[in-house]
Amino acid sequence: DAGVIQSPRHEVTEMGQEVTLRCKPISGHDYLFWYRQTMMRGLELLIYFNNNVPIDDSGMPEDRFSAKMPNASFSTLKIQPSEPRDSAVYFCASSLGLKGTQHFGDGTRLSIL
Amino acid sequence: AQSVTQLGSHVSVSEGALVLLRCNYSSSVPPYLFWYVQYPNQGLQLLLKYTSAATLVKGINGFEAEFKKSETSFHLTKPSAHMSDAAEYFCAVSDTGGFKTIFGAGTRLFVKA
Repeated sequence: DAGVIQSPRHEVTEMGQEVTLRCKPISGHDYLFWYRQTMMRGLELLIYFNNNVPIDDSGMPEDRFSAKMPNASFSTLKIQPSEPRDSAVYFCASSLGLKGTQHFGDGTRLSIL
Repeated sequence: AQSVTQLGSHVSVSEGALVLLRCNYSSSVPPYLFWYVQYPNQGLQLLLKYTSAATLVKGINGFEAEFKKSETSFHLTKPSAHMSDAAEYFCAVSDTGGFKTIFGAGTRLFVKA
């Protein structure tokens, strides 16, 4: 079975540019999560969706960050404009139900120069 | 409010030795507890989870963890370490009602030949 698929795996761009990260959750899962992982702050939950609806975006660091889930099989995390401090590994995860195990993608390693 | 503390950011063991990774949690309601493993350049994978059934939980790859309410602990153990166990391990807590999972800072396990 296909797991959570994220693209791109690596992204290098200059500060000020728009960055879009993509995620395809496991088919049938009704929850989708976006996380950011850095050495300094560890794993942080940015936002999560239930049935394509954003439930809690309190972890989104600034207005420069936005996330959408237009349908059950696709979500994006956008940073505009990007800054060097946004450099991190961004993970998407999905789960079935409130108490389901979260399945993580392999992440997008983002470097902002 | 929930929280989780992993004692020791790095643990080093010899191949064949006991692995013990420590996790203490805080939760105002009965918790769900998880251990995840992260290999280099990959997302997190579930090792095991406690959901108020048996207090001793067996997971994949020979790992197990014991829920001790009196000590608010959920330590991860494996009797005999393999080189392939070298990875980062995350303890996480949720609660019986919600699904917002809080992750610990992680413990990196090194296995010496």
